Amino acid sequence: KNEVEQSPQNLTAQEGEFITINCSYSVGISALHWLQQHPGGGIVSLFMLSSGKKKHGRLIATINIQEKHSSLHITASHPRDSAVYICAVSGGGADGLTFGKGTHLIIQP
Amino acid sequence: NAGVMQNPRHLVRRRGQEARLRCSPMKGHSHVYWYRQLPEEGLKFMVYLQKENIIDESGMPKERFSAEFPKEGPSILRIQQVVRGDSAAYFCASSARTGRDQPQHFGDGTRLSIL
Repeated sequence: KNEVEQSPQNLTAQEGEFITINCSYSVGISALHWLQQHPGGGIVSLFMLSSGKKKHGRLIATINIQEKHSSLHITASHPRDSAVYICAVSGGGADGLTFGKGTHLIIQP
Repeated sequence: NAGVMQNPRHLVRRRGQEARLRCSPMKGHSHVYWYRQLPEEGLKFMVYLQKENIIDESGMPKERFSAEFPKEGPSILRIQQVVRGDSAAYFCASSARTGRDQPQHFGDGTRLSIL
């Protein structure tokens, strides 16, 4: 069974700061997903990656398969980035995704 | 909008009643996953279905919960004789193909409250 750990659990930063959220997992995976959830809202898939790095706008996701670690970066953070960011993995013996507990991000103006 | 549609968005039931949650996958998707998010907890996998088949229900409670994905119509997650502990957000996701490296597209969820 895969264990997914995220850090930090909570993060408050000022607008414009560079944000990093970390995710580690315990066993081999097929892919790693970064998701975004606004309070009371649905879940949006930001990235799915199995190697290297992906970029979409101000968001960057990287993964190191050997170290079983991924990071999500937000450049030039903005209050609208405030949300819960969730790391999830697929594979490792399970059909569904296995999720981390999420990182609550607040960007203050 | 061809996204994953879940309804209702909010559902209130009294203890002992039945709850039916519906999920229509994205157009062209034949794989559906159900996840549960308990208050102050992370998301947990419940069940994975393909059309007319349950592939993996390892995350589903053994009693009172069932899921189906008929040939026609939405996938249904059914909870019989609901209890307070069933209060949670239930999310559905769909994918186009089988395989653990496929992207999953999520719906907005159903918030179930048990009185």
